[in-house]
Amino acid sequence: QTVVTQEPSFSVSPGGTVTLTCGLSSGSVSFSSYPSWYQQTPGQAPRTLIYATNVRSSGVPDRFSGSILGNKAALTITGAQAEDESDYYCVVQVDSGSWVFGGGTKLTVL
Amino acid sequence: EVQLLESGGGLVQPGGSLRLSCAASGFTFSTYAMSWVRQAPGKGLQWVSGISGSGDRTYFADSVKGRFTISRDNSKNTVYLQMNSLRVEDTAVYYCAKFAGPQLQRWYFEYWGQGTLVSVSS
Repeated sequence: QTVVTQEPSFSVSPGGTVTLTCGLSSGSVSFSSYPSWYQQTPGQAPRTLIYATNVRSSGVPDRFSGSILGNKAALTITGAQAEDESDYYCVVQVDSGSWVFGGGTKLTVL
Repeated sequence: EVQLLESGGGLVQPGGSLRLSCAASGFTFSTYAMSWVRQAPGKGLQWVSGISGSGDRTYFADSVKGRFTISRDNSKNTVYLQMNSLRVEDTAVYYCAKFAGPQLQRWYFEYWGQGTLVSVSS
C-alpha cells in the first residue's frame, strides 16, 4: 500500500520562507506523479494551490511555488504571511486513475 | 461560477447504506471527471473514488472497494456515491471534487464542494 509522506508540522516566521515536502514510502515523486497541493483551514473545504507539480491555480499568490526536490514534490512559500497558517496537503497519482493524499502539514506562522 | 453541492449525509448504523449526491453547475458536466474525497474528524484528506466524464471508467481506494460504487447522471449534472456495508471508520465529511479534465489520469482536483457529513455509529 502506497503511503505519501509529509511533515506533520512546520513553523515559519512572518516574511520567512518555508518548503514543505511530499514523498513516497517507496519510490520517488516525479512530474509523472502529477503532484498537486491544497490548502485547508479548519471547517473549510480545501483550496487548490498548485497542480502538475509547479502550476499555480488561478488567483493563488505568486509567493506559492511548486517543484521537485530530489525524489519529492515540494511546496515553497516565500514571504509567508499570517493568513498562510493552514493545513497543506499534497496528492499524487499512484496508479492509473488512483490518487493518494499525504497526511498533511500543519503550518504555523509566528 | 462552478458550484458543487453535496447532499445525502447523515447518521447510519454499521452495516447500513447511504447514497450521497453532488449536484454540479457552472460548467459542462459531462466533460469532466468527478471524484469523492473524505476527511475523518480531525484527520487528513483521503481519496475515495472517481469517475470519468463519460462515466465509463470508475476507480476506488482499496479501503472502499467492493462496498462503494460511484455513478453519474450527465442529464442531471449529478454524481453519486453509493455506500454499502458502512463501517465506523467511514465516518467523515465527504467532499465532491471536480477534476480539471475528462479522466482521472494526469489531471487534478480543481474545485471542491463544502462537504456532507456521514456518521456511522450504533
